Amino acid sequence: KQEVTQIPAALSVPEGENLVLNCSFTDSAIYNLQWFRQDPGKGLTSLLLIQSSQREQTSGRLNASLDKSSGRSTLYIAASQPGDSATYLCAVRPKEYGNKLVFGAGTILRVKS
Amino acid sequence: EAQVTQNPRYLITVTGKKLTVTCSQNMNHEYMSWYRQDPGLGLRQIYYSMNVEVTDKGDVPEGYKVSRKEKRNFPLILESPSPNQTSLYFCASYRLAGSPYEQYFGPGTRLTVT
Repeated sequence: KQEVTQIPAALSVPEGENLVLNCSFTDSAIYNLQWFRQDPGKGLTSLLLIQSSQREQTSGRLNASLDKSSGRSTLYIAASQPGDSATYLCAVRPKEYGNKLVFGAGTILRVKS
Repeated sequence: EAQVTQNPRYLITVTGKKLTVTCSQNMNHEYMSWYRQDPGLGLRQIYYSMNVEVTDKGDVPEGYKVSRKEKRNFPLILESPSPNQTSLYFCASYRLAGSPYEQYFGPGTRLTVT
């Protein structure tokens, strides 16, 4: 059964720092991996999607990498800003049952001004 | 604007009173799904649909029903809500054919059952 783990569970950094959020998954047989952002009481906003054949994706200050063989992904946020404060969720779409996403518990990020 | 919409956004109800949460997408996606989010348990899939009139159970289907009569709509029905169904509910959709299979989520419905 696919399981997704995110470390750390919470992170507090001063504005301007570069930071890395980690995601690991137990089964490398996936179609893709998706990073989401969730603001308190709000829905999920898709940040980046990495297909299983890709190694990384970039969008603005965000860069996500995927090492499928080791079951790891990282989300790199450059020059963090208070507006980046949110919960970041990692999710994989397993090949075993490709009709759903399996989510990690998330990393709560706080960027202090 | 491409989006998934849900209604209502907030709902407080009593045990046993039937309710429906609507979900609609304007992207002509074949696939739609419902998730619930609970503290410490993350997001878990309730039901999904691969196309009109095709639905199947997810990980936590007990106490829920769905229907898919139109491609754009996928309502979630709670026939007899109970307090353990108090949760934050999300509807999602994506296109089945062709990449990148990116899933789009609605804004969420916060349900409280007393």
